[in-house]
Amino acid sequence: EPEVTQTPSHQVTQMGQEVILRCVPISNHLYFYWYRQILGQKVEFLVSFYNNEISEKSEIFDDQFSVERPDGSNFTLKIRSTKLEDSAMYFCASSLQRALAKNIQYFGAGTRLSVL
Amino acid sequence: QQQVKQSPQSLIVQKGGISIINCAYENTAFDYFPWYQQFPGKGPALLIAIRPDVSEKKEGRFTISFNKSAKQFSLHIMDSQPGDSATYFCAASIGAGSYQLTFGKGTKLSVIP
Repeated sequence: EPEVTQTPSHQVTQMGQEVILRCVPISNHLYFYWYRQILGQKVEFLVSFYNNEISEKSEIFDDQFSVERPDGSNFTLKIRSTKLEDSAMYFCASSLQRALAKNIQYFGAGTRLSVL
Repeated sequence: QQQVKQSPQSLIVQKGGISIINCAYENTAFDYFPWYQQFPGKGPALLIAIRPDVSEKKEGRFTISFNKSAKQFSLHIMDSQPGDSATYFCAASIGAGSYQLTFGKGTKLSVIP
C-alpha cells in the first residue's frame, strides 16, 4: 500500500540552527500538508501546498518556516532558526483531491524534532 | 471557535466491551468530521468520517454518532479488541476552500484481555 514517508525519524538540532524535514508524499497525490504535535498536545495544522504554492497556512507558520517541492517527489519543511518551542513531532500528509468527502489525508509516521 | 474538544484523555476497556470517545466543537462552519487512529511509531490513519447531514455512520465495529444541534460527535468501538489499542483523534474541517484538519487532543485507548 502506498504510504507517505518522512525522514529523518528523529532530528536533534541546536537552537538557532536551520533544519529541513523531508517528506515523500504518495506519488499521484496533488495536495500536501504539514502538521505538528507538541508533546502532550493536539495535532496542529501548519500549511497546505498545491500546484507549487502555499494554499493555506496557520498562525504558527511564520516567516521562520518555509515549504518547497524541489523535485516533483519530495516535499520539505524548513525552519530557518530553530527555537526551543519548535520541538515537536512534525507530520507530513498528502491527499489526492480536495473535494470535501474525498479529502482523505494520508499521514507519514512523523519526524521528531528536538531543539536543544 | 476553531477548537475541537475531545474526551476522555485515556480509556481502558475490557476485551469485548464498547469504547466510547466523545468530541465537541463550537464552529458551526465545520462540515466534515473524520476520526483518525494512530499506532505507536506510525502516523494518524483515517478510520471513519461523517458529514453533518447524517446522524450515524457505521463501518464494521466502528460507528460515528453525530448530534448537530448539540455540536457533538462520538466514536463507538463495539466488541473492542486488544488490536484496537491506539490513540484516537477526532478532527473537523470547514471545507469551502479550507481543508485543514482541526484535531482534538487524542484519546489513548487500551483494550485489556
